[in-house]
Amino acid sequence: SAVISQKPSRDICQRGTSLTIQCQVDSQVTMMFWYRQQPGQSLTLIATANQGSEATYESGFVIDKFPISRPNLTFSTLTVSNMSPEDSSIYLCSVGQVKETQYFGPGTRLLVL
Amino acid sequence: AQKVTQAQTEISVVEKEDVTLDCVYETRDTTYYLFWYKQPPSGELVFLIRRNSFDEQNEISGRYSWNFQKSTSSFNFTITASQVVDSAVYFCALSEQGTYKYIFGTGTRLKVLA
Repeated sequence: SAVISQKPSRDICQRGTSLTIQCQVDSQVTMMFWYRQQPGQSLTLIATANQGSEATYESGFVIDKFPISRPNLTFSTLTVSNMSPEDSSIYLCSVGQVKETQYFGPGTRLLVL
Repeated sequence: AQKVTQAQTEISVVEKEDVTLDCVYETRDTTYYLFWYKQPPSGELVFLIRRNSFDEQNEISGRYSWNFQKSTSSFNFTITASQVVDSAVYFCALSEQGTYKYIFGTGTRLKVLA
């Protein structure tokens, strides 16, 4: 399976600011995804990061709030914009591999004050 | 519509006990995948198993075993002789073929007490 890293691993931010999370994979992958996991909750898919085109967002998530970049097949970023305390979550990237199995990065723990 | 239900919110067992985590799913598709992931306190999701809808064979991996029954739309996970290191949140997920989109259950928090 692919090895996935995320930066930062955690951060504490002030409301109204933005944070960019990086996801790096050790091999080229077609499918990359971004998830949010609010405290004590399950995972919710934010968007599919498409290489060379705009990300595909799920219902309830918009590009202005969560802009995503995918400049190549090994890297993606997710920005959480104009943050509020409700954005405090774990943000995880994942990659899709054979037989639709997703492997997840270690996550970024975000606390917004 | 797709749905995954993990009715057990939290389970506590004493070390060496066996424990079964339940997962019930709903889908209209005939071709789909089911998954189990483990999320330890560190937060990373660890892939445990994938099962496709055409393979109802049960699987055993060490102390872990999985029971897939299409007749009851269930994909249950049993840990035999539980250990403290098994303490984590366990998620069941469903994906319809060709979508790569996961529908996650709400997770079951397992606490194994020494």
